[in-house]
Amino acid sequence: KAGVTQTPRYLIKTRGQQVTLSCSPISGHRSVSWYQQTPGQGLQFLFEYFSETQRNKGNFPGRFSGRQFSNSRSEMNVSTLELGDSALYLCASSSAGTGWRGTDTQYFGPGTRLTVL
Amino acid sequence: AQKVTQAQTEISVVEKEDVTLDCVYETRDTTYYLFWYKQPPSGELVFLIRRNSFDEQNEISGRYSWNFQKSTSSFNFTITASQVVDSAVYFCALTLFGNEKLTFGTGTRLTIIP
Repeated sequence: KAGVTQTPRYLIKTRGQQVTLSCSPISGHRSVSWYQQTPGQGLQFLFEYFSETQRNKGNFPGRFSGRQFSNSRSEMNVSTLELGDSALYLCASSSAGTGWRGTDTQYFGPGTRLTVL
Repeated sequence: AQKVTQAQTEISVVEKEDVTLDCVYETRDTTYYLFWYKQPPSGELVFLIRRNSFDEQNEISGRYSWNFQKSTSSFNFTITASQVVDSAVYFCALTLFGNEKLTFGTGTRLTIIP
């Protein structure tokens, strides 16, 4: 099976702009989560989507949003970019499903490195 | 709230030495999962192992072994006969039962010196 793919791999934006990152999960996986990784804050959970619904959300401002499509692909959007948004954004997918409240392993993509100037 | 502590920020060992990476976690829940991930310079987090809170059996996989002790809330990772390819940042993580949100430690940067 192909792994989690993320596009683009690298992105340079300026303050005030907005950006959209894309994630395609492993085939058959319906849960997609997003994480931000920075040297100062480490790895932090942004949100999780399952069946086109946001199921869980981390402590990030409303400028960070996401969505999931019917084919499980997900996008995250950051509006009004700030210098502090420069980070590696990682997407992960798992086969966790509705009604099954266990926890499945999350598999990560290569990430999108966003630089805000 | 959950917390994962990896007190070792950086470790350097000479190739073929054994090395243990420490992980201590905090949670009030009785059902949870623990993970180890490896992050090479390319940036992708590579899954290594997952344990649930009911299974304290230690595990060995090739040169890797894991020691899970609920009594001390620790989930340590040992690499035997280290190799240069083991150089990476290693993360310990925790999630609660029924939840996909991973709480990560700050990571341990492991450098294997040839």
